[in-house]
Order: sequence, then C-alpha cells, then structure tokens
Amino acid sequence: NAGVTQTPKFRILKIGQSMTLQCTQDMNHNYMYWYRQDPGMGLKLIYYSVGAGITDKGEVPNGYNVSRSTTEDFPLRLELAAPSQTSVYFCASSYSNSYSYEQYFGPGTRLTVT
Amino acid sequence: EDKVVQSPLSLVVHEGDTVTLNCSYEVTNFRSLLWYKQEKKAPTFLFMLTSSGIEKKSGRLSSILDKKELFSILNITATQTGDSAIYLCAVGGNAGGTSYGKLTFGQGTILTVHP
Repeated sequence: NAGVTQTPKFRILKIGQSMTLQCTQDMNHNYMYWYRQDPGMGLKLIYYSVGAGITDKGEVPNGYNVSRSTTEDFPLRLELAAPSQTSVYFCASSYSNSYSYEQYFGPGTRLTVT
Repeated sequence: EDKVVQSPLSLVVHEGDTVTLNCSYEVTNFRSLLWYKQEKKAPTFLFMLTSSGIEKKSGRLSSILDKKELFSILNITATQTGDSAIYLCAVGGNAGGTSYGKLTFGQGTILTVHP
C-alpha cells in the first residue's frame, strides 16, 4: 500500500493563478481531509469529505474548493491564489468508524504564492 | 466550537532530561485524544486515548488522559536528539451529522533536544 500520496511536493504560484493539489489514498478510507499548516502552527482543517459525493467546510475554507468523485481521490482547488495561502498542505484519510479517529497523512505539498 | 490548547509552545532540553507536554481541550461529545509527532514532514501517529486514567506507553514515551479535568499529558523520559520535533495533540468529538472522524488540532509544542 502506498497509503496517502500527494502531488506536487512543491509549487510556486504567482498571485491570481490557480492550481489543484492532488490527493489519493489506497486504503479504502471513506473519510478524507485537507489541512494547512503555517510555520510554527498546528493543523487547520480546510475541507473534509465523509464519502464520494459528500464534502463539507472546515475551519478555513475561504479561497479553496474540493470535490470527491471517487473514494480514492480528494483534490483541493485554489482559485485566485493569494500570499495568505502560502503554507504546507496535508491531505489525510481515516476509517469511517466512530471509535477510531486515527488519521493517516500524506507527505504534504509546500506552496508559495508570490 | 472545539478547542485544543497545548503548553508549553516550545521547550529546549538536553539529552537525558525528562519532559512533560500538556494538552487541554474543550470538545462536544468527546470521543478520543490523539498525539502525533511531526518532524520535517507529515505527522506520525503516537497514541490514541479514549479512557480516563489508562496510561498508554511506547518505549520512552507515555501518555495519560484525564476526562474529568479535560487534559492529557505526554511524557518523554531520557530524551534523545531524535526526539526533537513538533508534538501535536488532537481531539475528536461527535457534534452530530458528518462530524465523525474530524479532529481539532492544538498549535503544537516544539521540542528541541540538545546533545
């Protein structure tokens, strides 16, 4: 199993550009999440999904969009990139089990907007 | 709104010291508290605690949960330079609807262990 994979690893965007961060998991997890982590900070939830076709906003959704057409994939779309979106983005997944909250993380995408 | 506060925010120690990291929380319908270790990459899972007073242990690391006082501690004994990392505490609750599985993270404790 590859677990959770993310592409790209690094990206530099100019202000106003758009891009999609890719996330794929091969563990057949129903739940998937997108977080951002700013320097010296914890993880803030951007969006999450409890299954294909179902997504919901987290703490910091503004400036982002998601879709979940398959169990495996959960792409994050940035429209009109702004310097405030410079961050490290982590995708995670977990079992849909009310007793197991362990999330498995991808390696992250470091995004710089200049 | 769920909230997790970790202390201290940063800690510098020497090899061999023992450290205690703190995590206090407020969450709707508490289900579990998790500790993660983050080096220069993705967080890696350490412990999940769901029951009060039961210590989880892995080598030199141990953790315990107090559900009455709403906090957890992570202890690391005989610290090594390889323990240098950010330690993240997260809590999962159930506020209904699609909130199962969601974690709220604290800001993390940056631990630096000098030789």
